[in-house]
Amino acid sequence: EDQVTQSPEALRLQEGESSSLNCSYTVSGLRGLFWYRQDPGKGPEFLFTLYSAGEEKEKERLKATLTKKESFLHITAPKPEDSATYLCAVQARETGNTGKLIFGQGTTLQVKP
Amino acid sequence: GAVVSQHPSRVICKSGTSVKIECRSLDFQATTMFWYRQFPKQSLMLMATSNEGSKATYEQGVEKDKFLINHASLTLSTLTVTSAHPEDSSFYICSAREGSAALSQPQHFGDGTRLSIL
Repeated sequence: EDQVTQSPEALRLQEGESSSLNCSYTVSGLRGLFWYRQDPGKGPEFLFTLYSAGEEKEKERLKATLTKKESFLHITAPKPEDSATYLCAVQARETGNTGKLIFGQGTTLQVKP
Repeated sequence: GAVVSQHPSRVICKSGTSVKIECRSLDFQATTMFWYRQFPKQSLMLMATSNEGSKATYEQGVEKDKFLINHASLTLSTLTVTSAHPEDSSFYICSAREGSAALSQPQHFGDGTRLSIL
């Protein structure tokens, strides 16, 4: 069964304290792995798509990496405005042309000034 | 680019009322739209997938007669919660995707609708 697991569930950092969020996945064949940011009461905001092991994407203080079993979202020198829930989702080959995503439970990040 | 607009953002109504939620892709044509439900402190639960001009595909356990989905154009999908009851109260979010699934284009999300049934 296709599955996505994110860890930790919650993470508290001091401003400037770098860390990483983990997304482990089990799928029959990966078509794409997506990272989203969700603020309270809002819809998820797209951050990155990764397609194959070894791929990396960067945006400001965020960097996403991908292996055959997991993805990491590295946050360098975070600021309080980076506080949000970060969601990881995968699209499996077996979903055919539906484009369905399987979401993890998310990691809620709090960055204190 | 890739903006998805969802309206209304909040609805409060009496039990038995039907509620319609609109989801529009503003700057791209959405071949596929998705409807999710999210409970507090939980992740997104896919309710249904809709393609323009065809019937929606509902996930297991989702009542298609309760949650009516219409994808009338490449930029508009609607979700109607029929005869809503308090247990239907939730945060409903739509998303839209352009291109084919083979290209693994990301889904872009609206800002959600908070539905409260009294």
